[in-house]
Amino acid sequence: DVKVTQSSRYLVKRTGEKVFLECVQDMDHENMFWYRQDPGLGLRLIYFSYDVKMKEKGDIPEGYSVSREKKERFSLILESASTNQTSMYLCASSRDFSNQPQHFGDGTRLSIL
Amino acid sequence: QQQVKQSPQSLIVQKGGISIINCAYENTAFDYFPWYQQFPGKGPALLIAIRPDVSEKKEGRFTISFNKSAKQFSLHIMDSQPGDSATYFCAASSRYGGSQGNLIFGKGTKLSVKP
Repeated sequence: DVKVTQSSRYLVKRTGEKVFLECVQDMDHENMFWYRQDPGLGLRLIYFSYDVKMKEKGDIPEGYSVSREKKERFSLILESASTNQTSMYLCASSRDFSNQPQHFGDGTRLSIL
Repeated sequence: QQQVKQSPQSLIVQKGGISIINCAYENTAFDYFPWYQQFPGKGPALLIAIRPDVSEKKEGRFTISFNKSAKQFSLHIMDSQPGDSATYFCAASSRYGGSQGNLIFGKGTKLSVKP
C-alpha cells in the first residue's frame, strides 16, 4: 500500500512566521503535489514536482514555495504566513503523468493567528 | 476550459436509496475521470475511475456513467449506507501535454446518508 505521510496533523503559527510543511511518500513515485482544501472551493493545486529539484507552479502559488531535495520528500514553505493561509493542506504523490491515481496524505490543518 | 463542474454541493439520501453526483467538463483532451472519496479527518482516496472508451464502470455498489458527447460523467451509489457519508470529488486529466496529467478536481459533494 502506498503511504503518504504528512509530518503534522495540526499546526498553529503566527502571522509573519516562516512555516514548513513536510510530506514523505514510500512508493518511489515521480510526482508529488501540494493542495489546499477550503470549504466550497474543493482542492486547489499550489505546486507540484515531477522530479527531484524540479518544481512547477499550480493554480495558487502566491505566498508559497516548495523544495524537493530527495525523491521521497516534498516540502511546502509559507515564506511569511498570513491569516488567509489558514487552511487544510494535502500532499499527494503519483507514479507519473500517464493518468495514474494520486495518493493523498491525511492532511495538515494549519491555523495562522 | 480546464474546469470540472460538480453538482450538487450537498446531498441527503435515505439509507437504501440511490445517490447521484454529476460532473461536467469542457476540455476534450481529458481522458481519465476518477472519483475520490474523503472521510472527515482523512485525505481523499481513489474510489473508482473510468476512461472514455467505455460508457459505464461498476465496482460493487458504485457505478460511473460516462457520456462523451455531452462531456458529462456521474457517480451512482446504489443502496446507499450511512458509512457512505463522505465528501466525493470528481476529477479529470489528460495523458497528453506533460502537466495536463495533473488532476483537475470538482469542488466536491458532501453526501449524508440518513439511517
